[in-house]
Amino acid sequence: ETGVTQSPTHLIKTRGQQVTLRCSSQSGHNTVSWYQQALGQGPQFIFQYYREEENGRGNFPPRFSGLQFPNYSSELNVNALELDDSALYLCASSLAPGQGYSPLHFGNGTRLTVT
Amino acid sequence: DQQVKQNSPSLSVQEGRISILNCDYTNSMFDYFLWYKKYPAEGPTFLISISSIKDKNEDGRFTVFLNKSAKHLSLHIVPSQPGDSAVYFCAASATNYGQNFVFGPGTRLSVLP
Repeated sequence: ETGVTQSPTHLIKTRGQQVTLRCSSQSGHNTVSWYQQALGQGPQFIFQYYREEENGRGNFPPRFSGLQFPNYSSELNVNALELDDSALYLCASSLAPGQGYSPLHFGNGTRLTVT
Repeated sequence: DQQVKQNSPSLSVQEGRISILNCDYTNSMFDYFLWYKKYPAEGPTFLISISSIKDKNEDGRFTVFLNKSAKHLSLHIVPSQPGDSAVYFCAASATNYGQNFVFGPGTRLSVLP
């Protein structure tokens, strides 16, 4: 069973730039969620993708956007980076919504630093 | 307004003893709960879950208890091992909200040899 993989592991960007983070879901999972974890806090829900469409969104501005591809992999894009965007970005895969209770399985995250 | 709270930022326990990690929630719509542990430089690892139709779920050394009336859940680890030293997060979701989990701020567990 292949787990969730994320790339890159670390990234340094300058304020105002744009960034793309990538995620491959665990085999058998067709739903991908993205979370932001700031230092000393729990992960915070950004959005979820199912069937290549956004299926729920947390309290994040539109400059946070995503994609899901037919092979269930996903991208998180952040435009106009701000210093407060510095965080660990976690991707999690799970079974489809409505298929009963399904825990999230996380990758190791991408550590983004905005200077 | 924190919907999921873990009021103990840290906990120290002797090896072999029981570790009890607590979590409180405010949203009565939450009906599915997860516990994760996280080591530095790794993603959260799923430990155990419980749905609101149960009040207890066991998996090896890990047991989760749910008290719906008190909106409280706890994770028991018996016996505690040094490898259990990590940050533990509880997370909650409501079926009607899809799989959007709300996480607590975490409790750092240190198991002392």
